Amino acid sequence: GQNIDQPTEMTATEGAIVQINCTYQTSGFNGLFWYQQHAGEAPTFLSYNVLDGLEEKGRFSSFLSRSKGYSYLLLKELQMKDSASYLCAVRPYGQNFVFGPGTRLSVLP
Amino acid sequence: KAGVTQTPRYLIKTRGQQVTLSCSPISGHRSVSWYQQTPGQGLQFLFEYFSETQRNKGNFPGRFSGRQFSNSRSEMNVSTLELGDSALYLCASSLGETQYFGPGTRLTVL
Repeated sequence: GQNIDQPTEMTATEGAIVQINCTYQTSGFNGLFWYQQHAGEAPTFLSYNVLDGLEEKGRFSSFLSRSKGYSYLLLKELQMKDSASYLCAVRPYGQNFVFGPGTRLSVLP
Repeated sequence: KAGVTQTPRYLIKTRGQQVTLSCSPISGHRSVSWYQQTPGQGLQFLFEYFSETQRNKGNFPGRFSGRQFSNSRSEMNVSTLELGDSALYLCASSLGETQYFGPGTRLTVL
């Protein structure tokens, strides 16, 4: 089966760096996704990692290690608007998307 | 390019009623997926449609059904509503691997 784990909540300070971890157990998939979801809104696509390693996109970076079943989302220079839930997801071969429970990030002034 | 649209945005129904939600995907996207999101269960996959055919189905009772039309627009129907069906219903469309979500329909069952 598939299982994705993320920390439930994290708190960080404006301007800081935060790393949100995601661990998964799944047989095989093309890539790992990260989505951002503000309260009451729909998830928005942040990143998609196919290969192992770090993908950088502005203040956000995402890392994948298939051998370790591990990914993380790195947010730099945190802003108040980054307060949101962050969801990681995979799509096992031939199956539907599986989303993690999400990590609620609170950015404090 | 316009994003995924969903109608209605908010809906209030009573137990036993049925409801139909609509989703229009991004132009050119042929795959549409539906999800239920609740505070306790997170994002749960309902079903996926591609070219008018159901490609995958989640672990939901038969009261939940869907369909896709030739223009890729999709509808989902929930019959005999229960209190536990209160949730945000999200539709997502995709062309390749990445899914793009609509704003959702907030369903409240009283």
